[in-house]
Amino acid sequence: SQQGEEDPQALSIQEGENATMNCSYKTSINNLQWYRQNSGRGLVHLILIRSNEREKHSGRLRVTLDTSKKSSSLLITASRAADTASYFCAPRSSGGSYIPTFGRGTSLIVHP
Amino acid sequence: EAQVTQNPRYLITVTGKKLTVTCSQNMNHEYMSWYRQDPGLGLRQIYYSMNVEVTDKGDVPEGYKVSRKEKRNFPLILESPSPNQTSLYFCASRGTNTGELFFGEGSRLTVL
Repeated sequence: SQQGEEDPQALSIQEGENATMNCSYKTSINNLQWYRQNSGRGLVHLILIRSNEREKHSGRLRVTLDTSKKSSSLLITASRAADTASYFCAPRSSGGSYIPTFGRGTSLIVHP
Repeated sequence: EAQVTQNPRYLITVTGKKLTVTCSQNMNHEYMSWYRQDPGLGLRQIYYSMNVEVTDKGDVPEGYKVSRKEKRNFPLILESPSPNQTSLYFCASRGTNTGELFFGEGSRLTVL
């Protein structure tokens, strides 16, 4: 399965704090992508990290990848109420056709 | 503007009345997919299409049909809707290089 599993399922923090969510997967990958979903809306691509990268930054987002542990983490620094959303990871396996599937995501609530 | 367009966005219908949810993308993507999202169950894949005239079942295909007669369109057909198909539906397409998915805004379907 190419599906990633996000952890924790729910995360509640105060504005200004950092939020960390994790993704585990089972196969060798070419890359791993993180998506964000505002309530009831379509998923939006946030960031992609390739298998030969260990860390990547985009604004307040920091993604790490540990291929030996088959895991990735997404860190949102200095969280804002507007970061309240669900976050999903999507690993892309290195072999075969890429059929993206998703887990249950991490539901992040940032309290003002 | 690159986009995936779904219609209708909201629909209330009755059991057994055939309906079609349309999906169109303007990015010339070969791959398209349908997902349904239910509380606590994350995104589950219904059907996907690797290219024109090529469709395959996802994890929850029962009660649904799809067709892919042209690259830009991938309609989801509910021949005889039932209340357990009440859900939020998303269409997505993806590019070939990175595999980034582009999602529609969702179609909220209620079957009475």
